[in-house]
Amino acid sequence: EVQLVESGGGLVQPGGSLRLSCEVSELILNDHFMDWVRQAPGKGLEWVGRTSNKVEGFTTYYAASVKGRFIISRDDSRDSLYLQMNSLKIEDTAVYYCVRDFGAGWGQGTLVTVSS
Amino acid sequence: QSVLTQPPSVSAAPGQKVTISCSGSYSNIGNNHVSWYQQFPGTAPKSLIYDTTKRTSGIPDRFSASKAGTSATLSIAGLQNGDEADYYCGAWDTSLRGEVFGGGTKLTVL
Repeated sequence: EVQLVESGGGLVQPGGSLRLSCEVSELILNDHFMDWVRQAPGKGLEWVGRTSNKVEGFTTYYAASVKGRFIISRDDSRDSLYLQMNSLKIEDTAVYYCVRDFGAGWGQGTLVTVSS
Repeated sequence: QSVLTQPPSVSAAPGQKVTISCSGSYSNIGNNHVSWYQQFPGTAPKSLIYDTTKRTSGIPDRFSASKAGTSATLSIAGLQNGDEADYYCGAWDTSLRGEVFGGGTKLTVL
């Protein structure tokens, strides 16, 4: 069974940085589109960004709200997807989900809290 | 303000049928596939429908979906108490070059 397990969330001050990881199992990461989606407390889903698969050149796309601050990367040798988050703002506080293949599978999420 | 528009809430009695609408535009629903997700409190969303009308493996055929123009609809027949959850629609937006979601619909089974 394909599993996605996020880690790296926590409390960070405004302006700080954090890197989230998503470890995948039973999946050849190279072959799959991967997204990050977040959900602020009590709010709806917000797409953060996407990395395409190897065939599509690992192209990345970002939501306007995070472009220039967040970077998605992957390390297929470690079966892992990453989200580097810089210049964090209070409004970035959310549960961050790792998502495969256009929503086909979701991780359990990791909570990021940006607060002073 | 979500790009896709869903009703905040819907309700129906057990055994009845309920529909949840998702309204968008030419750049998202009008020209791309729609997905639907179910989310219970405190848990991650789960895929119900992909490619506009296809049920994800393991999803009962009580769940179905359709699209007409720039709107999509999720239908749930034979409502059960266990269907009480939040439902989200999503689609790629060609103009924004990003995935967009509806604001979510809370389904209450009366």
